[in-house]
Amino acid sequence: GNSVTQMEGPVTLSEEAFLTINCTYTATGYPSLFWYVQYPGEGLQLLLKATKADDKGSNKGFEATYRKETTSFHLEKGSVQVSDSAVYFCALSKDNFNKFYFGSGTKLNVKP
Amino acid sequence: GAVVSQHPSWVICKSGTSVKIECRSLDFQATTMFWYRQFPKQSLMLMATSNEGSKATYEQGVEKDKFLINHASLTLSTLTVTSAHPEDSSFYICSASGNSYNEQFFGPGTRLTVL
Repeated sequence: GNSVTQMEGPVTLSEEAFLTINCTYTATGYPSLFWYVQYPGEGLQLLLKATKADDKGSNKGFEATYRKETTSFHLEKGSVQVSDSAVYFCALSKDNFNKFYFGSGTKLNVKP
Repeated sequence: GAVVSQHPSWVICKSGTSVKIECRSLDFQATTMFWYRQFPKQSLMLMATSNEGSKATYEQGVEKDKFLINHASLTLSTLTVTSAHPEDSSFYICSASGNSYNEQFFGPGTRLTVL
């Protein structure tokens, strides 16, 4: 079946630290991969995506590379800010984006 | 990106009453809308998928008679929680996709509290 596994949180970092949130997936065929961010009390916002192997998605300093050989899509940022504090969800989509499978979410706390 | 709104953003109701949540695509035609439920500190669980003008497809374990979904137009879908009980308290999120987009756009969510 299709599933997404991401590292449990919370992850607590100091401002300007390097961030990695691990995400691995199980899927048949060739899914698209996504990272969504959820700020407190809000819905999900698309952070970045990659639709095929070796693609790198990037946005707002965040990056993730679609690694088919390791079935991974780890999220990275070189220098986090307090405003990056949120919950991050890794997800995969198949069937022409009509069905999403989400990971359990990782809460990031960035301290000044 | 496209914008999806939800109304209300939060609602409190008494046990046994019904609550309707609206999901609107503001600047595009949403051929497909999705309803998710999110429990505290947990991920999103897809409840159902609806295409404009047809009946919703519910995920396994979701009671279709309890969670009524209507997708009457290309810009509006509604979720009605019938005879709500405290265990229905949750954060409900809708998303929408259209023919010219290759992603889903998520609404801000509705927090339902049943007393």
